[in-house]
This record gives sequence, C-alpha cells and structure tokens, in this order.
Amino acid sequence: QQQVKQSPQSLIVQKGGIPIINCAYENTAFDYFPWYQQFPGKGPALLIAIRPDVSEKKEGRFTISFNKSAKQFSLHIMDSQPGDSATYFCAARATTSYDKVIFGPGTSLSVIP
Amino acid sequence: NAGVTQTPKFRVLKTGQSMTLLCAQDMNHEYMYWYRQDPGMGLRLIHYSVGEGTTAKGEVPDGYNVSRLKKQNFLLGLESAAPSQTSVYFCASSSMKEGERGKNIQYFGAGTRLSVL
Repeated sequence: QQQVKQSPQSLIVQKGGIPIINCAYENTAFDYFPWYQQFPGKGPALLIAIRPDVSEKKEGRFTISFNKSAKQFSLHIMDSQPGDSATYFCAARATTSYDKVIFGPGTSLSVIP
Repeated sequence: NAGVTQTPKFRVLKTGQSMTLLCAQDMNHEYMYWYRQDPGMGLRLIHYSVGEGTTAKGEVPDGYNVSRLKKQNFLLGLESAAPSQTSVYFCASSSMKEGERGKNIQYFGAGTRLSVL
C-alpha cells in the first residue's frame, strides 16, 4: 500500500516534444506529491510538487496533472530541451508520516536535438 | 551554503570489510535520511532520523547501522560489507518546520558510489 508506481521506465523525445511521465498510488493517506529531478552524478532535487486538492500545477515548462479519484498523477514537460535530459522521480508522502517520502522507481528521459 | 555534503564520493570494499559513510548538513535541519539507489528501483530508505540522538529503520535497514550524535551529522555504517550492498548511497535532510506545513522538501547530497567485491 506504500508503493508508488511510475511509468515509463525510459523515454526518448525530440527537442520541443512533450514527454509525459505517469505515476499511481494506492495509499489514500498520501497528501503531498513531489517530483524530483536527478542529473547524472548528482543527487535528486525537488522540481515541483502538488497537493490533491488541486488538479493541476504549473511551474515554468513543468506541469503536474492530478486525478484524485483515479489516484494518478503525471508530469508534463512542455517544449522539452536537451538540458531536461535527466531521471525523474515521482514521490508521495502522508501528513501522518511527514518524515518519510515514498519514491517511484524513476524515469530516464532523453531529449534529443 | 554547502547544503548536504557526503564523504567519501567513491569507495571500493572487499566482502566483509567495514566502513562508515558521513553525511553533514549546514541547514539546521531536524530530519536526515539515508537512501540507496539501484537501477530500476528508485530510492529506497535505509534509515532516518527525526532529531539528534534518534534513529529509525526505513524500508531496507538490514546490514546497516546509523548514528546521529550531532544534529548536523548522520553516519551510515556497514559492519560487514556484502556484494548486495553495492549501490549509490544518498543522504538527505529536511526541515521539521516544512513538515509541519505539510511539506517535506528533502535536500540531497551528491551521493557515494560504493562497490563491494
């Protein structure tokens, strides 16, 4: 019930395309859903996050869509650039366990020129 | 600010050897975490700490021990290394105040790449 599922495992898009990464969860106690971005040789860094009381959040070219009833959320990257090539992790946290975050397995994104 | 600093960056061990990974943060964060990252498995929580002198088990604690004697430091120990512990280890920290506001922004170090032969 703690698991966060993520797909696809890897993704290749051309520059300007809109890669979409999908995540799903089971635990209805989750109430905070961050996305982390990790470049090779670096640690993950928070990219954007959403709460289930909103259906969409945009920050620059990054958008999270959230479907509470389906327990699914996704990351869209508009006008993708080669510099967006990284591994993306979705994650989830329950307020009742605010010290722990459950991460998805990650998606390796390559944006080719 | 340095943020979260991990040492060493790389290490090769022989089976049965012991070592300690050090994590230091300069953000006065209450919470600290140790994860391991393996291909296709994302980040798995090994141990975590909610404050100085306290530690708790995460998802994959077997074979590891931790200590948080000072608020800014979180040590991860491998008493008898095994090849299955070959991985990239990440330390992270977060603020209790952000946790109280319903967030948990974890700040990660650059990782320690460990190979156990």
